[in-house]
Amino acid sequence: GQNIDQPTEMTATEGAIVQINCTYQTSGFNGLFWYQQHAGEAPTFLSYNVLDGLEEKGRFSSFLSRSKGYSYLLLKELQMKDSASYLCAVKDGDYKLSFGAGTTVTVRA
Amino acid sequence: IAGITQAPTSQILAAGRRMTLRCTQDMRHNAMYWYRQDLGLGLRLIHYSNTAGTTGKGEVPDGYSVSRANTDDFPLTLASAVPSQTSVYFCASSEGEEDEQFFGPGTRLTVL
Repeated sequence: GQNIDQPTEMTATEGAIVQINCTYQTSGFNGLFWYQQHAGEAPTFLSYNVLDGLEEKGRFSSFLSRSKGYSYLLLKELQMKDSASYLCAVKDGDYKLSFGAGTTVTVRA
Repeated sequence: IAGITQAPTSQILAAGRRMTLRCTQDMRHNAMYWYRQDLGLGLRLIHYSNTAGTTGKGEVPDGYSVSRANTDDFPLTLASAVPSQTSVYFCASSEGEEDEQFFGPGTRLTVL
């Protein structure tokens, strides 16, 4: 299978910035996705990168370096509702999506 | 409201029983997927279908079967459930295989 690594847990303070790193090794590459998953709920799509560089969407940004097999998700101006699990997922050469185990972010007041 | 529905929401099942998890989408998406999510392992692909009438095996297909008779429905069947199939099962769909996937609410299955 594919190898996708991300930290298990991160804690940050309300209003701060948190960066979640993801490294991957896959057979072929057709894009990297970030999903947010609140406890007991379904994953929801956050961002998509297929070319190198930064994609910005409001308080959330995602960066990709294909040559390094590396991405990060940047969460700015953290709010309590951002407490969730963040899933890094890579689409391989056969367009199959493989997920990392997820990073649980806890936002403290 | 457009989206994906799954049934049942949760189920407790005796080992050896047959069980079908239902998934329906009304977005006319071509591709559909079944994942299981286990603590510490993340989401793993069980089976997928790129278009009605075709199916394929994912990372963990053993013990599961699927069918795709039409665009909207993608049921997942456990022929003879075992305790290791205790998990949360998510159905997802996408317009094409290269597009973002939308997830259903999930089915929590416990096999005793």
